[in-house]
Amino acid sequence: EAQVTQNPRYLITVTGKKLTVTCSQNMNHEYMSWYRQDPGLGLRQIYYSMNVEVTDKGDVPEGYKVSRKEKRNFPLILESPSPNQTSLYFCASSLGLAGALVGTDTQYFGPGTRLTVL
Amino acid sequence: AQKITQTQPGMFVQEKEAVTLDCTYDTSDQSYGLFWYKQPSSGEMIFLIYQGSYDEQNATEGRYSLNFQKARKSANLVISASQLGDSAMYFCAMSSDSNYQLIWGAGTKLIIKP
Repeated sequence: EAQVTQNPRYLITVTGKKLTVTCSQNMNHEYMSWYRQDPGLGLRQIYYSMNVEVTDKGDVPEGYKVSRKEKRNFPLILESPSPNQTSLYFCASSLGLAGALVGTDTQYFGPGTRLTVL
Repeated sequence: AQKITQTQPGMFVQEKEAVTLDCTYDTSDQSYGLFWYKQPSSGEMIFLIYQGSYDEQNATEGRYSLNFQKARKSANLVISASQLGDSAMYFCAMSSDSNYQLIWGAGTKLIIKP
């Protein structure tokens, strides 16, 4: 089954304790992206990756790191989480870049990770 | 600047009625794509429908159709014969040639009444 998986689905942690949220897709997609969703603010992009070893900042990258060592995996790292990073996080992937060949940039989302930082 | 506007924060609709969710967009690019996603209370983001800027016909997917009016820069989602399971947040989004990101609207919360 074609899918994007994220782990963990729920996480409660404390300020300053490093954590990693994993994301994996089995669709051979080139483009992957991380979003956070907060009430009233919609989805905001954190980082995206156009291919292996190619990543770039989105709208809200502060406090986050990513890596893309393999095509299928795109982990999100919070080196020193703070309470303002409490949010619902989504990983997404698409065949191509946003704005690329028509129809190839539909993004498919993981189930979400609900993070609480105390 | 590119922008997506969803002017309806919330809507109540009677079951079995058709519903239109509004979306207007702003871009100076000639090539762009428009998307609708559904987010039920369980939280996942579900892709519903896509319309490319050069598509001459409105996109349809089952009970979903996209009313694309290019000159008015609108891409409204129409759900025919609404069902209780359609209750959810709905997001409109746009991609374009000059942007590697999807631009998202704030969403519309749709509640279907029995």
